[in-house]
Amino acid sequence: EIVLTQSPGTLSLSPGERATLSCRASQSVTDDYLAWYQQKPGQAPRLLIFAASSRATGIPDRFSGSGSGTDFTLTISRLEPEDFAVYYCQQYGTSPPRYTFGQGTKVEVK
Amino acid sequence: QVQLVQSGAEVKKPGSSVKVSCKASGGTFSSYAISWVRQAPGQGLEWMGGIIPFFDTANYAQKFQGRVTITTDESTSTAYMELSSLRFDDTAVYFCARALFSYVGVQYYYYFVDVWGQGTKVTVSS
Repeated sequence: EIVLTQSPGTLSLSPGERATLSCRASQSVTDDYLAWYQQKPGQAPRLLIFAASSRATGIPDRFSGSGSGTDFTLTISRLEPEDFAVYYCQQYGTSPPRYTFGQGTKVEVK
Repeated sequence: QVQLVQSGAEVKKPGSSVKVSCKASGGTFSSYAISWVRQAPGQGLEWMGGIIPFFDTANYAQKFQGRVTITTDESTSTAYMELSSLRFDDTAVYFCARALFSYVGVQYYYYFVDVWGQGTKVTVSS
């Protein structure tokens, strides 16, 4: 069973700064089937990135995903006020079906 | 616009069961897998299990095996998650989530979640 470890746990940044979030898998993620979600308090998660680097519909281009194998990165090029939230990575596409989530990275206002 | 609308908040006693519903509107219900993901207060996301309505095939996380049952009613485009033998640490928000799926023979694969329900708060309290 794959374990996803996200770092850092908390990222303290100012609006306009660049955010770099890491997600490391304990073993290679098949076909780079890794997604990133954003979650704000009291809300359901929202899909940002799938297949490691493909942006979901309607997601601003300041969000980008990269990586393959065991090391993945979500980058927010310039933080907007609405980007302060918790971000989760997720592995999918395995059989038997299951989802594995990282523990989350909180991006907070410095 | 595709939406997943979940049933309302529940308060349950330890040892009892809870059944949460998730009704889909828009899209083709049987073309997707529906998963259930929970989030304890202040914690991360935890996958409990999922089902492909087209095949009526469910898969469960080992942690919840024997305690969770996921079903669907295609006539109403509704998925259900029933959790039994409730404990205090089952207090959480429970989300349903939609994903595309594929299969090769009897091997099934769920893809990323593109639509989430709004969440249902379940409180276990004596």
